[in-house]
Amino acid sequence: DAEITQSPRHKITETGRQVTLACHQTWNHNNMFWYRQDLGHGLRLIHYSYGVQDTNKGEVSDGYSVSRSNTEDLPLTLESAASSQTSVYFCASSKGAIHRNTEAFFGQGTRLTVV
Amino acid sequence: AQKVTQAQTEISVVEKEDVTLDCVYETRDTTYYLFWYKQPPSGELVFLIRRNSFDEQNEISGRYSWNFQKSTSSFNFTITASQVVDSAVYFCALSARRGSTLGRLYFGRGTQLTVWP
Repeated sequence: DAEITQSPRHKITETGRQVTLACHQTWNHNNMFWYRQDLGHGLRLIHYSYGVQDTNKGEVSDGYSVSRSNTEDLPLTLESAASSQTSVYFCASSKGAIHRNTEAFFGQGTRLTVV
Repeated sequence: AQKVTQAQTEISVVEKEDVTLDCVYETRDTTYYLFWYKQPPSGELVFLIRRNSFDEQNEISGRYSWNFQKSTSSFNFTITASQVVDSAVYFCALSARRGSTLGRLYFGRGTQLTVWP
């Protein structure tokens, strides 16, 4: 079955280190998104992509970067991890074209702790 | 600009009670999509429903029902005869059409529903 997977599921890192969270989907979806979830804030968009070589900033993009070199993957990089980036990160994907059953599919989440 | 408001931060009910989760949205787009997601204690996001802006029919799926009213910009979610397994955080989300594609989702802050036995 097609799916969207995130790795790792849990990570602890030190302040100042570079960290990359992986997101891989097998639906061949054009659209991919990264959100972070924090108590009291719901899910906030970090970066998103509507296709290969396309990347866009969301409302909380500072300190994060993404690249889209193929359809299946959208890795999220924390350039220099900060304690404020301790959060649960969700990757999502959706089809490029709207149809009756269009929805966004979410990965299982990555819990990142910066110490 | 798009915005979703879930005014209820936490709701507690006793099993078998009916409960309604409110969702109010703001958008200037004429074509948009509304979603509800469930996040159980295990943490994953489970898709429940999508509704298009041009389809105001209410929907019922088992114990779940959704009331979409464009006049009040609301998309409320009712669970009938709640069960302990319904305990979760519920998110309402909005997406506008971006050309021929589905744009990013804007989420509300979520409502924590606790159903007591």
